[in-house]
Amino acid sequence: DADVTQTPRNRITKTGKRIMLECSQTKGHDRMYWYRQDPGLGLRLIYYSFDVKDINKGEISDGYSVSRQAQAKFSLSLESAIPNQTALYFCATSEGGRGLYTGELFFGEGSRLTVL
Amino acid sequence: AQSVTQLDSQVPVFEEAPVELRCNYSSSVSVYLFWYVQYPNQGLQLLLKYLSGSTLVESINGFEAEFNKSQTSFHLRKPSVHISNTAEYFCAVSDHRTGRRALTFGSGTRLQVQP
Repeated sequence: DADVTQTPRNRITKTGKRIMLECSQTKGHDRMYWYRQDPGLGLRLIYYSFDVKDINKGEISDGYSVSRQAQAKFSLSLESAIPNQTALYFCATSEGGRGLYTGELFFGEGSRLTVL
Repeated sequence: AQSVTQLDSQVPVFEEAPVELRCNYSSSVSVYLFWYVQYPNQGLQLLLKYLSGSTLVESINGFEAEFNKSQTSFHLRKPSVHISNTAEYFCAVSDHRTGRRALTFGSGTRLQVQP
C-alpha cells in the first residue's frame, strides 16, 4: 500500500459544486501539504499544516479550504468549484521539527480534478 | 521568499547523449536543494538531494547534481541518457533557517529522449 494515499484519483464535476479531496498517510509525519500542478507552472503550494493545530496558507489559497482531522489525515475542499481550478492536485508529507526537518517531501499519486 | 528558475521547459536529446537540466534559485545562506522526477501519470519521486557536505550528489541511476553557492545553481546532469529517462524533472529548494517554510518548486523541465 502507498504511504500517502489520495482519494479520489479522478473527479469530474460542474461549476459551483463543492468538492473534497482527501489525503491519508502512514509515514507518521507531522507535516502535510497540498500542491496544485498546472502545465508550465510547476507545483504551487495551496495549504500546509505542521501539526493538527497549525495550518497555514500557501501562495494560492484563495478558493480553497483545508481540514487536518488527525495527524494522518489532511483534506482539501473547493467550496464552489470553478473551471480554472481544473488541475492535478498532490498531497505530500514531510518530517517536522528542528533536527528532523530537511524539506524532503513524500508525494501521493495525485488527484486529477476537472471542473466543467 | 525563495524562487526557483528552470530555464528550459523542454529538452529533447538522443539516446546515449549527455544532458544537463539547469536550475537556479534565489540567494539564501541556508538552503537544501532537491531534484524530483515525475513519470507520465505518476506522482513525484525524489531523484537526489543536497543537504550538506560534498557539493556533488549522485542518484542511484546515474544522475548527478552540483551545488554551486556562488552561482546559486543546482544543475542536473547525466552523461548518457536512456529512453526510460523520459520524464518531467523539477528542481526545488527549502530554506532551512527556520524550518517553517514549505518546498518551493521550479516550473519543470520535460526531458524527451529520442531513439
